[in-house]
Amino acid sequence: DAKTTQPPSMDCAEGRAANLPCNHSTISGNEYVYWYRQIHSQGPQYIIHGLKNNETNEMASLIITEDRKSSTLILPHATLRDTAVYYCIVRNANDNTDKLIFGTGTRLQVFP
Amino acid sequence: EPEVTQTPSHQVTQMGQEVILRCVPISNHLYFYWYRQILGQKVEFLVSFYNNEISEKSEIFDDQFSVERPDGSNFTLKIRSTKLEDSAMYFCASSDLGIGNQPQHFGDGTRLSIL
Repeated sequence: DAKTTQPPSMDCAEGRAANLPCNHSTISGNEYVYWYRQIHSQGPQYIIHGLKNNETNEMASLIITEDRKSSTLILPHATLRDTAVYYCIVRNANDNTDKLIFGTGTRLQVFP
Repeated sequence: EPEVTQTPSHQVTQMGQEVILRCVPISNHLYFYWYRQILGQKVEFLVSFYNNEISEKSEIFDDQFSVERPDGSNFTLKIRSTKLEDSAMYFCASSDLGIGNQPQHFGDGTRLSIL
């Protein structure tokens, strides 16, 4: 079973920041937080990952709380193309063969 | 940007027939994975593959399934005798070898329809 909890759905106005929360209260010290998204049955698309520091790339920012029990994915200026299901996943940092366990994610709807 | 490519995009097969799904992982990646997603359900892990052998497999990956890296570029998933319940999207993924965690990058999948 997924070790994360996410709201089933969220809405966001185009051009505004989308803040997607994730709870991972049982995360262990060697587990990373990963975010993927899936647009309409395409393959999951990697967005960002982090261990304990906040991370930013060209797609998004990842804010991880100090106790690491929750995180927030931020899409700074959401567009209609960001409408997708977003998955928060924890993964063992020490094993590159470790599988991704997908939950049901958050369905983000960006509206005009 | 390099990407994982999968062929065919859609495969229709009669129940009981063998099917081979093909994947070309990102060049120089060393870890390979198959996942599947039944319509309306979660993405499920099938198998991981490294150094020419299976690293881990799920309960779904029974004796009817096999994986192979026949050459330096392809990674295949074979289902020996397909069942109706094998109908799903099948996603291939690959990741690099490196310090710390490396993300898995996915292809756009093969839609397998069993009749």
